[in-house]
Amino acid sequence: AQSVTQLGSHVSVSEGALVLLRCNYSSSVPPYLFWYVQYPNQGLQLLLKYTTGATLVKGINGFEAEFKKSETSFHLTKPSAHMSDAAEYFCAVSALPNYNQGGKLIFGQGTELSVKP
Amino acid sequence: EAQVTQNPRYLITVTGKKLTVTCSQNMNHEYMSWYRQDPGLGLRQIYYSMNVEVTDKGDVPEGYKVSRKEKRNFPLILESPSPNQTSLYFCASSPGLYSNQPQHFGDGTRLSIL
Repeated sequence: AQSVTQLGSHVSVSEGALVLLRCNYSSSVPPYLFWYVQYPNQGLQLLLKYTTGATLVKGINGFEAEFKKSETSFHLTKPSAHMSDAAEYFCAVSALPNYNQGGKLIFGQGTELSVKP
Repeated sequence: EAQVTQNPRYLITVTGKKLTVTCSQNMNHEYMSWYRQDPGLGLRQIYYSMNVEVTDKGDVPEGYKVSRKEKRNFPLILESPSPNQTSLYFCASSPGLYSNQPQHFGDGTRLSIL
């Protein structure tokens, strides 16, 4: 079984400060990991994803995440927050396609990011 | 324009009255999926489809049905809606879940079951 835990339902940072959103996962098979962003009254947009290979993944809007197998983590970071980053962020996990239920996607509870001027 | 279209966007209905939420994509994507979003629970996958005539249960399939007769359409059917199915629903599609292209999400359907 797979699960995702996002630590902190609300995170507030000042504009220009480091953004760190935490995600820990549980998976009995090698995982695929994703971060999505949801702006108010909109659907989700893929920020980045880890499949295989390089463990540091770069995404859109200056975000990146590092897959750490030993810590079962996939934290999302951005060096300098911008007002436009205010949104809700979701971490998700899926099994590799060659495993059973490779299309099933499990989301975390979400973290709402606020950016103060 | 590449898009995922859901209809209706809003619906208020009563317990037990069958309803269908349609989802259509114009990108020839193989993978489609339905999610429900509830406060504090994030998004939970209801059903997904890897291709035409191939569907599988997600995390919370109870009370829902889907079909994938054509590649572009993936309707969500509530045969006998109940108040606990009041939620915000999203349809999504992608070339394949593991492709390098991003998933496209619809704008959402807000269902209220009284």
